[in-house]
Amino acid sequence: QKEVEQDPGPLSVPEGAIVSLNCTYSNSAFQYFMWYRQYSRKGPELLMYTYSSGNKEDGRFTAQVDKSSKYISLFIRDSQPSDSATYLCAMSDYGGATNKLIFGTGTLLAVQP
Amino acid sequence: DTEVTQTPKHLVMGMTNKKSLKCEQHMGHRAMYWYKQKAKKPPELMFVYSYEKLSINESVPSRFSPECPNSSLLNLHLHALQPEDSALYLCASSQSRDEAFFGQGTRLTVV
Repeated sequence: QKEVEQDPGPLSVPEGAIVSLNCTYSNSAFQYFMWYRQYSRKGPELLMYTYSSGNKEDGRFTAQVDKSSKYISLFIRDSQPSDSATYLCAMSDYGGATNKLIFGTGTLLAVQP
Repeated sequence: DTEVTQTPKHLVMGMTNKKSLKCEQHMGHRAMYWYKQKAKKPPELMFVYSYEKLSINESVPSRFSPECPNSSLLNLHLHALQPEDSALYLCASSQSRDEAFFGQGTRLTVV
């Protein structure tokens, strides 16, 4: 079993839809959770960063962490064609002074105009 | 400013060449990372520098040699690479337990 599992997609939605992206994980030591957006042939761009359980909202994006279920989600409201990208979840237990991220495999999202 | 700058953006090299990838950040982060990413795969960690000392080497072949000249700079020296080493090489930085920021990557092609 992989440490982090992510719904592979691809996911195709119409413009304006609410998108739900999800990851599950097996390591209960993970405490720090990130969502990155990666456009084709570019570096990952940090979208959301969450510590421990709870919700965090930033504009059209909401990140949820449920540590009891080992499940994290990213919601995108009013999705736009510019949101079309690969979304990567990442997490870390921060066993030290550095951030060794464990990534999900990524979900490819296409928002149709 | 949350920018991590990588140069060059693209690199084509022969299997006998020696080249270097460069990464720079001015966020005061004390941890810097090299990742390798193949097409349609997530980034894979290669090296981690913490306070300018190599703290993690994920069993990367010796044809990849990292260097951290100071707290803002990170280099990756390449020598005698193989075609299968062609990938997007990503640099990232973080301030200990905070979020990691990535550069735009160097797209490397080995011919």
